[in-house]
Amino acid sequence: DIQMAQSPSTLSASVGDRVTITCRASQSISSWLAWYQQKPGKAPKLLIYRASSLESGVPSRFYGSGSGTEFTLTISSLQPDDFATYYCQHYDNYMWTFGQGTKVEIK
Amino acid sequence: EVQLVESGGGLVQPGGSLRLSCAASGFTFSYYWMHWVRQAPGKGLVWVSRIHSDGSSTTYADSVRGRFTISRDNAKNTVSLQMNSLRAEDTAVYFCARGDRGAFDLWGQGTLVTVSS
Repeated sequence: DIQMAQSPSTLSASVGDRVTITCRASQSISSWLAWYQQKPGKAPKLLIYRASSLESGVPSRFYGSGSGTEFTLTISSLQPDDFATYYCQHYDNYMWTFGQGTKVEIK
Repeated sequence: EVQLVESGGGLVQPGGSLRLSCAASGFTFSYYWMHWVRQAPGKGLVWVSRIHSDGSSTTYADSVRGRFTISRDNAKNTVSLQMNSLRAEDTAVYFCARGDRGAFDLWGQGTLVTVSS
């Protein structure tokens, strides 16, 4: 089974900072890679699908990139509403796998 | 309004059973694969199960295979998760989610399942 490892597990940042979260796969994967934002007590929200496609309604400060085994989610200028936990997710052969999450905290 | 609404969560003893339901509205339910994803308290997201748009095929995570059964009724726009032989480690919020483009683009609010004596 393919494992997804996110880093860092926690990130402290300030409003306006550029933030990058990395998701590494245990082996080379296709571009079936998605990113989600989750706030406490709420359902996750899809931000990026197919590694780099922005979901409708999601602000353009969220940017996804990568291929092979390394993928990144970048927030170009962190906003107060962006403090949350972020998860990557991979799909392969009728199985779906999440990374362990990255909590973005206020510095 | 496009939404998913889960129900059926609660407290159950180890070894017991529970059936979760998810009611869909505002979109053509029969077009989409549907999933269940769970999240233990303070932990990350874990995919549980998936069902094809016409109900013809299903997939399960290793941790629940043989104990959980996913089903759907396209006439009633509902997807269900029958959970048997429940264990303490099944305690989690269970989310119903719509599958599209290899991801989950619509989520319900979640329903809490607590397995405890």
